[in-house]
Amino acid sequence: EVQLVQSGAEVKKPGESLKISCKGSGYSFTNYWIGWVRQMPGKGLEWMGIIYPGDDDTRYSPSFQGQVSISADTSIRTAYLQWSNLKASDAAIYYCARRAESTDYWTHWGQGTLVTVSS
Amino acid sequence: EIVLTQSPGTLSLSPGERATLSCRASQSVASFLAWYQQKPGQAPRLLIYGSSNRATGIPDRFSGSGSGTDFTLTISRLEPEDFVVYYCQQYAKSLQTFGGGTKVEI
Repeated sequence: EVQLVQSGAEVKKPGESLKISCKGSGYSFTNYWIGWVRQMPGKGLEWMGIIYPGDDDTRYSPSFQGQVSISADTSIRTAYLQWSNLKASDAAIYYCARRAESTDYWTHWGQGTLVTVSS
Repeated sequence: EIVLTQSPGTLSLSPGERATLSCRASQSVASFLAWYQQKPGQAPRLLIYGSSNRATGIPDRFSGSGSGTDFTLTISRLEPEDFVVYYCQQYAKSLQTFGGGTKVEI
């Protein structure tokens, strides 16, 4: 069974750094793209970026380019989403998702990580 | 960027009724359109891909249609658990985008 398990909720202050994780199991981790999606409180879904763990090819939505960093560690089957300077506007639920085999829809999702940013 | 406009924003119906949700793209996405269902406090779940293909395990009361710029998600007979939010997503371009969502309420 394919599973994506995300790290737990975080409470941070503006200006702090943060790295959240997404661990894949039940499939070949290096052969599927993993993406990150933001959902701000009470709002819709926004695609942030995507990584292919097999070769670390990474692509970002223009809206998030330079604002976050996506990475992966194949040895522990885990993808990451990272911020170096959190803002209050980064408060949201962040989902990781596994892409379909050959095209950009999302077949499996993590449970989400709630990020709270408050001074 | 391709903008997806979902309508209506909220759809008020009763169990057993038919629901018709619309998703319109600002330019053609061919059949590269998916639908997701999101229940409160849960991650989205893939319902439909390629405009009309049901994902694994999705009941046949859910169906998708359309191509180009106009798409429809139809729920033939609403069950109580279907009263949640639905999103469309286009993946025709490398910059994929989601619609704003339709809430189906009782």
